[in-house]
Amino acid sequence: EAGVAQSPRYKIIEKRQSVAFWCNPISGHATLYWYQQILGQGPKLLIQFQNNGVVDDSQLPKDRFSAERLKGVDSTLKIQPAKLEDSAVYLCASSFLPGLAGTGELFFGEGSRLTVL
Amino acid sequence: AQSVAQPEDQVNVAEGNPLTVKCTYSVSGNPYLFWYVQYPNRGLQFLLKYITGDNLVKGSYGFEAEFNKSQTSFHLKKPSALVSDSALYFCAVRVPGGGSQGNLIFGKGTKLSVKP
Repeated sequence: EAGVAQSPRYKIIEKRQSVAFWCNPISGHATLYWYQQILGQGPKLLIQFQNNGVVDDSQLPKDRFSAERLKGVDSTLKIQPAKLEDSAVYLCASSFLPGLAGTGELFFGEGSRLTVL
Repeated sequence: AQSVAQPEDQVNVAEGNPLTVKCTYSVSGNPYLFWYVQYPNRGLQFLLKYITGDNLVKGSYGFEAEFNKSQTSFHLKKPSALVSDSALYFCAVRVPGGGSQGNLIFGKGTKLSVKP
C-alpha cells in the first residue's frame, strides 16, 4: 500500500514570497490533515478536511495560509506571503475515518521542510 | 484546554537497558492516547494506541505503554533498548466527540538516545 506522498521535500524562499505544498493521501482515506511542526515542538494542526469539506481550520492563519482539497483526494497548502516564522516542516496526514467513528491512527507523509530567509 | 506534556526533552539509555519515555495528559472525558516515533528527516510513524480495555498496550518494535487513569499518564516503555531506537518520540491525545473530531494534540517530543 502506498503511503502519504508529499512534495516538495525541501523549499527555500525569501520572506514575502509564496510557496505551495502538495499532498496525496492514502487511497480511500476520507480525512486529510495538514500539520505544522516547528523545530523543537510537536506538530500543530493547521487544517482538517473530511472529503473535500473543511472540518477544522481554527488554527490556520487565514491572512496568509490557504488550503484546498479538490475532489476529496489531493490537497494543496499555500502560504502567501511567507514570514520568517513560517519556517517549519509541513506534515500531511490521512486517516480512514475521524473521531468517534474511527479510533485508528493517522498516517503521515515525510513532510515538506520550508526555510524562509 | 486539552494538553499533553512530555517532561523530558531527552532520555539517554545504554543499549540493552530498559527505557521509559514519560507522557501525561490533561483532557476532559476519556481520551484516546497514541505514541508516534520520528526518525531524522522522516514523517511520524505510529507505534501504539490506547482506546479502551487493558491498561497495558503493546505496539511495534517491542514497545509497550501503560495507561494510568489516576495519574493521567501514558508512559512508553521497552524492556531492552536498541541503538536503532534512537529517535524523537511524540505522545498524542485525541478527544472523542470534541469539536475537531479525529484531531490529535501532540506533546513537544522526547529525544531518545541509545548508546552502545
